[in-house]
Amino acid sequence: GNSVTQMEGPVTLSEEAFLTINCTYTATGYPSLFWYVQYPGEGLQLLLKATKADDKGSNKGFEATYRKETTSFHLEKGSVQVSDSAVYFCALILYNTDKLIFGTGTRLQVFP
Amino acid sequence: GAVVSQHPSWVICKSGTSVKIECRSLDFQATTMFWYRQFPKQSLMLMATSNEGSKATYEQGVEKDKFLINHASLTLSTLTVTSAHPEDSSFYICSARWHTGELFFGEGSRLTVL
Repeated sequence: GNSVTQMEGPVTLSEEAFLTINCTYTATGYPSLFWYVQYPGEGLQLLLKATKADDKGSNKGFEATYRKETTSFHLEKGSVQVSDSAVYFCALILYNTDKLIFGTGTRLQVFP
Repeated sequence: GAVVSQHPSWVICKSGTSVKIECRSLDFQATTMFWYRQFPKQSLMLMATSNEGSKATYEQGVEKDKFLINHASLTLSTLTVTSAHPEDSSFYICSARWHTGELFFGEGSRLTVL
């Protein structure tokens, strides 16, 4: 079936450290891939997306590249800030559908 | 961006009672809204698609008589958990589709059934 697997958290980093949150997927066809972020007390917000293989989504210093050969969409940021502390969800949507399939979410905690 | 708000953000109720959760699109009209639930350490799972003016479409395995969805206006969808039991305790999240197709999510509602 279609699914998304994320690394378990929490991920704990010091400010300015490099961040990677792994995400792999299983899907029939060619999905679009997303990263959503949920800050404390707020709803999920779209962080970035990629719609086809080798596309790179980027926003707020975060990047993720759609890797079809490894079925991955890892989230990276070169230098995290305390304000990046949140829960990050990897998700996919199958072509011609509107059903988002989410990973379990990874909590990131950044300390000064 | 667009804003979606849920209410209440958390609720505790006794077993056997019914609980209503509201999802509002505050600054846009949404013909389609979605309801998800999340158990601890698990993914958000789509429960149903709510279409304004028509019946909701439920995902396989979701009891439509248990989880009543009403999308009576372009800015409001409600989820009613009827005769709630402890196993219904979960985090419920709604999303609304903007005219661009992008989804905007509410803050979530945590239900605890005693």
